[in-house]
Amino acid sequence: NAGVTQTPKFQVLKTGQSMTLQCAQDMNHEYMSWYRQDPGMGLRLIHYSVGAGITDQGEVPNGYNVSRSTTEDFPLRLLSAAPSQTSVYFCASSLPGTDTQYFGPGTRLTVL
Amino acid sequence: TQLLEQSPQFLSIQEGENLTVYCNSSSVFSSLQWYRQEPGEGPVLLVTVVTGGEVKKLKRLTFQFGDARKDSSLHITAAQTGDTGLYLCAGEKDQFYFGTGTSLTVIP
Repeated sequence: NAGVTQTPKFQVLKTGQSMTLQCAQDMNHEYMSWYRQDPGMGLRLIHYSVGAGITDQGEVPNGYNVSRSTTEDFPLRLLSAAPSQTSVYFCASSLPGTDTQYFGPGTRLTVL
Repeated sequence: TQLLEQSPQFLSIQEGENLTVYCNSSSVFSSLQWYRQEPGEGPVLLVTVVTGGEVKKLKRLTFQFGDARKDSSLHITAAQTGDTGLYLCAGEKDQFYFGTGTSLTVIP
C-alpha cells in the first residue's frame, strides 16, 4: 500500500494561474479531505468528500473546487491563484465511522 | 478566529525534562485527537480521547481530556530528541478543527 499520495510536492504559480493538486489513496477509504496549513494557524479544512460523487465545503472553501469521480482520487483545483493561497496543502483519508485520518506528505504551493 | 488554541506555541527543553502542552477551547467536542508532525511530512495520529476526564498513556506520553470536553493536555515525561516535532490537537464537532500547534525541540 502506498497510502495517501500527493503530487506535486512543490509548485510555484503566478497570480491568476490555475492548477490542480492531485491526491490519491489505495486503502479504499470513502472519506477524503483537503486541508491547508499556515504558520500559527494549524490545519484548516477546505473541502471534504464522504464518497464518490459527494463533496462538501469545509471551513475555508473560497477559491478552491473539488470533485470526486472515483473512490481513489480527490483533486483540488485552484481556478485563479492568489498570493493568499500560498500554503502547504494536505490531503487525508479515512474509513467512515473511524477516527484515524491518514495524511499525505503535502504540497507546498507558492503564489507570486 | 481559531476554535482551538494551543500553548505554548514554541517549546525548547533539555533531554530528560518533562513538559506539558495545552489545548483549550470554549467549545465542546465529541472527541479530541493529538497528532505529531515532522518537517516535510503529514501529521500522524497519536491518540483519540472521547470521554470527559479520560486519561490515555502511550509510553512516556500522557493525554487527558477535560471533564467538560473543552480542553486537553499532553504531558511528556523524560523527553527524548526523538520527541522533537510539531504537536497538533484536533477537536471533532461537525468536522475536525485543528489547534494552532506547539513546536517542540528537545536538545541533547
